[in-house]
Amino acid sequence: DTAVSQTPKYLVTQMGNDKSIKCEQNLGHDTMYWYKQDSKKFLKIMFSYNNKELIINETVPNRFSPKSPDKAHLNLHINSLELGDSAVYFCASSQTGEGFQYFGAGTRLSVL
Amino acid sequence: AQSVAQPEDQVNVAEGNPLTVKCTYSVSGNPYLFWYVQYPNRGLQFLLKYITGDNLVKGSYGFEAEFNKSQTSFHLKKPSALVSDSALYFCAVRDSNYQLIWGAGTKLIIKP
Repeated sequence: DTAVSQTPKYLVTQMGNDKSIKCEQNLGHDTMYWYKQDSKKFLKIMFSYNNKELIINETVPNRFSPKSPDKAHLNLHINSLELGDSAVYFCASSQTGEGFQYFGAGTRLSVL
Repeated sequence: AQSVAQPEDQVNVAEGNPLTVKCTYSVSGNPYLFWYVQYPNRGLQFLLKYITGDNLVKGSYGFEAEFNKSQTSFHLKKPSALVSDSALYFCAVRDSNYQLIWGAGTKLIIKP
């Protein structure tokens, strides 16, 4: 079983559309994350979320919103997609206090 | 400010030679340090961590890292490189909010 799974793996869409990326973890972790990796491979934290607190990176546009139906899922919804949103998005999870994170395989988003 | 620096964008090593990927950090308090590896079109995989104890930490795939408090460094090493070690390597440090601060990544190329 995959520990952290994301769907879809690839997403190609037009500017202005709204899209969602789903993430599920079966590790029983209490915290989940979304990262953006740009074309230069730089990794940027977008959100971290547990059942107590949502921490938002203030540089993330409000077109991006995380939605967590339960502790095992953290979906990423993106409104009004822009060309600059093209990147690979990674979901990750961890257990508070452990420090290290488990990553999904990534979703490659291409905005045309 | 808390930060992680990976001073080399790319490191080239001949197969069979020892390799070092450099990382320095700045964090308040005792550092929790991590190395991750990203193979092409894959998510990040945890390699090793330093929390406390022996300054030489052993991890997956024959990698090890040396914690040096006076130099605030946590360099990744391997005695004999393999072509399959070619990947992108990220150093990270846990901050006071239990979030990971990431380095910019170092591309490691092992030539046959």
